[in-house]
Amino acid sequence: DADVTQTPRNRITKTGKRIMLECSQTKGHDRMYWYRQDPGLGLRLIYYSFDVKDINKGEISDGYSVSRQAQAKFSLSLESAIPNQTALYFCATSDSAMGRGGGYTFGSGTRLTVV
Amino acid sequence: KQEVTQIPAALSVPEGENLVLNCSFTDSAIYNLQWFRQDPGKGLTSLLLIQSSQREQTSGRLNASLDKSSGRSTLYIAASQPGDSATYLCAVRPYTGNQFYFGTGTSLTVIP
Repeated sequence: DADVTQTPRNRITKTGKRIMLECSQTKGHDRMYWYRQDPGLGLRLIYYSFDVKDINKGEISDGYSVSRQAQAKFSLSLESAIPNQTALYFCATSDSAMGRGGGYTFGSGTRLTVV
Repeated sequence: KQEVTQIPAALSVPEGENLVLNCSFTDSAIYNLQWFRQDPGKGLTSLLLIQSSQREQTSGRLNASLDKSSGRSTLYIAASQPGDSATYLCAVRPYTGNQFYFGTGTSLTVIP
């Protein structure tokens, strides 16, 4: 099984619909992140969480919300999906025990299409 | 804000050739730099993580170097194989803030 699992892998939804992307991890890491990837723009940070009670906005949080249900679970919601939220979404984890010297572990991504 | 640039955006080489991928960043105040591989439509696989105090890291046919003062890192791939075809991304973690900043990647094609 993958260390970081994202569901669904692919999703097509209509404009205005609410949708949730889920992420779970077995790494035992305390820090979790949501990124989106767009062609030519690289990966951009949406939200991050350093523990269950900690939620922080990234550089492009508008139109998104998150929930950290447990140390191992971090979900991303689009309250009212719009076409420019069509992208590849990644969940990532890192370990605070590594301090700032730690790296990321990524999930396989969710391809979201908003029509 | 840290900006990360990877040039070229795409590279095509014949099998067996040694090659170098480049990554440059604007702010040298970083904790570490990480190289990833991404296959089409897939997630990112970590290849190498270099701490700011290190000059290079090696894993198999891969060697990554870091020159923090000049804001540059290179990923050297020896004896390239068709299975190396993928997009290679670099990401830097600055002293301030809580995120990595990513380049847009180099798409590598190794021709059999």
